[in-house]
Amino acid sequence: AQKITQTQPGMFVQEKEAVTLDCTYDTSDPSYGLFWYKQPSSGEMIFLIYQGSYDQQNATEGRYSLNFQKARKSANLVISASQLGDSAMYFCAMTRSGTYKYIFGTGTRLNVLA
Amino acid sequence: NAGVTQTPKFQVLKTGQSMTLQCAQDMNHEYMSWYRQDPGMGLRLIHYSVGAGITDQGEVPNGYNVSRSTTEDFPLRLLSAAPSQTSVYFCASSIRTGHEQYFGPGTRLTVT
Repeated sequence: AQKITQTQPGMFVQEKEAVTLDCTYDTSDPSYGLFWYKQPSSGEMIFLIYQGSYDQQNATEGRYSLNFQKARKSANLVISASQLGDSAMYFCAMTRSGTYKYIFGTGTRLNVLA
Repeated sequence: NAGVTQTPKFQVLKTGQSMTLQCAQDMNHEYMSWYRQDPGMGLRLIHYSVGAGITDQGEVPNGYNVSRSTTEDFPLRLLSAAPSQTSVYFCASSIRTGHEQYFGPGTRLTVT
């Protein structure tokens, strides 16, 4: 069965520093997709970045990058130059090719300090 | 282009009452889904649909029904509300399965 694990319930980072949020996954399928979402205190879910299991390069979107290590089954989110507005819950999610179900991790709360 | 809309934003029900949470999207997305979010548990899939007339169960389907008569709408029905269904409910859609999902603003439901 698929599983997503986020082991950091909460993290702090100084403004302008980089931070890595951990995500490990478990699947035996060779084809899958990995996603990160941000949930600010206002409650909405915002898509950040996507990595396909066959993508050769790590995904990047502005200040967000996904450190994809397939052999270790990890898909860590790296936020460069943290801003106060990055304070939020962050969720890692995956879906397996050929299924219609997405599964989510339990999230990491990031607090950016001024 | 409104994206994904959900109504109501807040709802209080008494145990045993029924209600329908509405969800609509205007992006012509094939895939739609319902999640519940409980503290410390992330988002759990309730039901999903891969197109009009096609629905299936997710991880936690008990106590909920769905239907999808049109591409745009995907309502979630609580048949007989229980306190265990107190949660925040999100509807989401994606152009097709495997792609990023766009979420509605959520409905905060309290069952007393």
